[in-house]
This record gives sequence, structure tokens and C-alpha cells, in this order.
Amino acid sequence: DGGITQSPKYLFRKEGQNVTLSCEQNLNHDAMYWYRQDPGQGLRLIYYSQIVNDFQKGDIAEGYSVSREKKESFPLTVTSAQKNPTAFYLCASSYLAGNGYEPYFGPGTRLTVT
Amino acid sequence: DQQVKQNSPSLSVQEGRISILNCDYTNSMFDYFLWYKKYPAEGPTFLISISSIKDKNEDGRFTVFLNKSAKHLSLHIVPSQPGDSAVYFCAARRNTGNQFYFGTGTSLTVIP
Repeated sequence: DGGITQSPKYLFRKEGQNVTLSCEQNLNHDAMYWYRQDPGQGLRLIYYSQIVNDFQKGDIAEGYSVSREKKESFPLTVTSAQKNPTAFYLCASSYLAGNGYEPYFGPGTRLTVT
Repeated sequence: DQQVKQNSPSLSVQEGRISILNCDYTNSMFDYFLWYKKYPAEGPTFLISISSIKDKNEDGRFTVFLNKSAKHLSLHIVPSQPGDSAVYFCAARRNTGNQFYFGTGTSLTVIP
């Protein structure tokens, strides 16, 4: 079955620690995205990548970093510089053009930093 | 600056009636619009989309209307069912680049 895997589902970290969220897709999609969801804020774009070894900042990239070494993988690191890291993180992927280029989302990771 | 806005945080509708969810956008460069449905602690699932060259798109019980001059789109669900209870997000894509901008969501409750 094709899809997006995000692991783990729940993640707990102490303040000051970096943490990496995993995102893997086997849909052969070119583009991948990271969004953050907070209550009342909708989905806000953190980073996106249209091709391997290339990525662009979204609206709220400060305190986050990403890599795209493989087409299938787009891990997100939440660094200690991120002031409010506790949130629900969603990874998505899509084709770049043509049919079905709407983003397809993974199940999400709930990160709690205390 | 929120480029896609959903001004109604919540909506309650009786089962069998029509649900109308609204969305406004500010960027005239958006050329593709989507609606997603989301349950708590899950990723959003795609419902329906519309290109800027159209003003209506239907898929079963779901119809999306686009009014470009008003920069407004709406999702109609007819008839509404209890299983439709979820948060609905509208999203828009700019005609350059591949960024998708999402609204803040509307929580729909369909009352049996």
C-alpha cells in the first residue's frame, strides 16, 4: 500500500533538546512538505521540498531544519531555538503538476516539550 | 498574514440538511483550491478541488463553488450525515511555486 509514514505518533522531549521527526513516502511524489497545527491556527507551512537536495522555507521556518537526501524521505529537526515546539506536526507529499497534485498527508506526530 | 481565511470556527447542521462551509482568500495568484477533512489526531484527507478556470466542481454529496471576483469559495455537503462531523480546511495553491496555504478550519457537527 502506498502512503506516508510518520513516526513516532507521540514524542516527548525536554526543553533544550533537539528532536527529529521522521517522514517517509512511497508514493513516488516529487514534493514533500512539513506543516504544524496549533489550536485555532490552522496548518502553517514550515518547510517544503520540490526535489532531492533542495528545500525552501515556509512561513514559520525559524527554529526548524530539514534535509532531503532521498526522494522518499524528508525528516524535520525541531531545534532548541524553536520557542514553542509543542504542536501537532504533519508531513505531506504531492506530485508537482498534473493529476493528483493535491498534498497527501501522513498521520502526524504529536510533539510535547516540557 | 493569513492569506486563506475561514471565518466560521464552527457550524452545526441537522442530519439530512445542507452544510455550507465558506472560505475567503486574499492572493489573486492562487490558481487551485482544495478542501480537506480532518479528524482529531489524524492527518487531513483530501475531499475535493477546483481549478481557477472553473466555478463549480461536484463529487457525490460534495460541491465546491468558486467566485473569483469575490475571492471566495464554498463547500456544500448535501445531504449532511453524522459521519461528516469533522474539521474542514480549505487550501489554495499559488500559480508559481508549489506552496499550499491553509485556512484555520471550520468544525462541522452534524446532529442526528
